[in-house]
Amino acid sequence: DARVTQTPRDKVTEMGQEVTMRCQPILGHNTVFWYRQTMMQGLELLAYFRNRAPLDDSGMPKDRFSAEMPDATLATLKIQPSEPRDSAVYFCASGSPTGLLGYTFGSGTRLTVV
Amino acid sequence: AQKVTQAQTEISVVEKEDVTLDCVYETRDTTYYLFWYKQPPSGELVFLIRRNSFDEQNEISGRYSWNFQKSTSSFNFTITASQVVDSAVYFCALSEAVDSNYQLIWGAGTKLIIKP
Repeated sequence: DARVTQTPRDKVTEMGQEVTMRCQPILGHNTVFWYRQTMMQGLELLAYFRNRAPLDDSGMPKDRFSAEMPDATLATLKIQPSEPRDSAVYFCASGSPTGLLGYTFGSGTRLTVV
Repeated sequence: AQKVTQAQTEISVVEKEDVTLDCVYETRDTTYYLFWYKQPPSGELVFLIRRNSFDEQNEISGRYSWNFQKSTSSFNFTITASQVVDSAVYFCALSEAVDSNYQLIWGAGTKLIIKP
């Protein structure tokens, strides 16, 4: 089965440190999402790419978060500097533009900022 | 206003009972897609189904079935003869061709507990 691969699986870091999360979408998928999930806020869209171009990143705190797709096989989400309130599970998902076969989610990165 | 409403926060049933999870959506688009995802305790999000707005046929997959009714803007999910392994949080989501450029708009989720 094709998978979306996210690394790292878990990350504990100190406040103020830079965090980079990586996602390898499924080959051939040209739509990539980054989501953040917390108990309080549920699933929040952070960034949305199609054909590597950002379509929407309005849900992302611009002062500290950045998302890129340097190539079709890699999406990155960076937090600099990290804060305790960034602690959450970050999911990457990929699919076709209309989600014909559903959007496939990675296993997530559990981030803890202390 | 919420575009996707899952009014049931938590449902608890005994194994082998049938259970229906409700999903009501709101959209002005004529072309849209509805999804259900399952999130078991392990945390991954598992795709269950996608339905487009032009196809109101109900779908059955094993013990799972989905009832799509445009007249009531609902896309409900029924599990027949529930099993403990069905315990999870279930999310309904909407994707609109125009208003949201195919972004997924999520419901808050329904936590389903199946007791042995």
